[in-house]
Amino acid sequence: GQQVMQIPQYQHVQEGEDFTTYCNSSTTLSNIQWYKQRPGGHPVFLIQLVKSGEVKKQKRLTFQFGEAKKNSSLHITATQTTDVGTYFCARGAQKLVFGQGTRLTINP
Amino acid sequence: GAVVSQHPSWVICKSGTSVKIECRSLDFQATTMFWYRQFPKQSLMLMATSNEGSKATYEQGVEKDKFLINHASLTLSTLTVTSAHPEDSSFYICSAGTSAYNEQFFGPGTRLTVL
Repeated sequence: GQQVMQIPQYQHVQEGEDFTTYCNSSTTLSNIQWYKQRPGGHPVFLIQLVKSGEVKKQKRLTFQFGEAKKNSSLHITATQTTDVGTYFCARGAQKLVFGQGTRLTINP
Repeated sequence: GAVVSQHPSWVICKSGTSVKIECRSLDFQATTMFWYRQFPKQSLMLMATSNEGSKATYEQGVEKDKFLINHASLTLSTLTVTSAHPEDSSFYICSAGTSAYNEQFFGPGTRLTVL
């Protein structure tokens, strides 16, 4: 399947600052999933977006799916040290094609 | 959520030996499981789709004779890295899903180091 491009590759913030990672596709996506992988750990599902223009929130995390269903974003408000990890977007349902991931590090 | 286990969690082997990694769905049945490989600081790359009772489907560029996959039951898939070489050193992760959930559940991964 087509790759999904994810930026930035790395992001370092001060604790309390916001963080955003972006995922882009050249083709229309039927859905997009977001996963978090802690250092040394395995990916853990965060959310799936399906509808055009969809916005979902999980506490300090806000997920958006673009109107054209070609891009998505994950925004974290007021980061905490527990947010450290790599955030991946992925296209597909069972057979996933992952973006390159954004590694988030936080200065306490 | 569903639970997927992997064994072993890490393994160190000599070049030329074979290593078997097990992936189990503990509380659900999985007709399909997926094997991924992740090099340090890189993304997960799908290697193959493991199908219960039939041959695995390999992604382009993945050698099926080197990475043997067996899915003999609805709860177990195995990946055997044959004649391992240092360049095979990586983090191998399996995943499985159920119709009850949208997500894929990942095993904890197996870190393979080939000396």
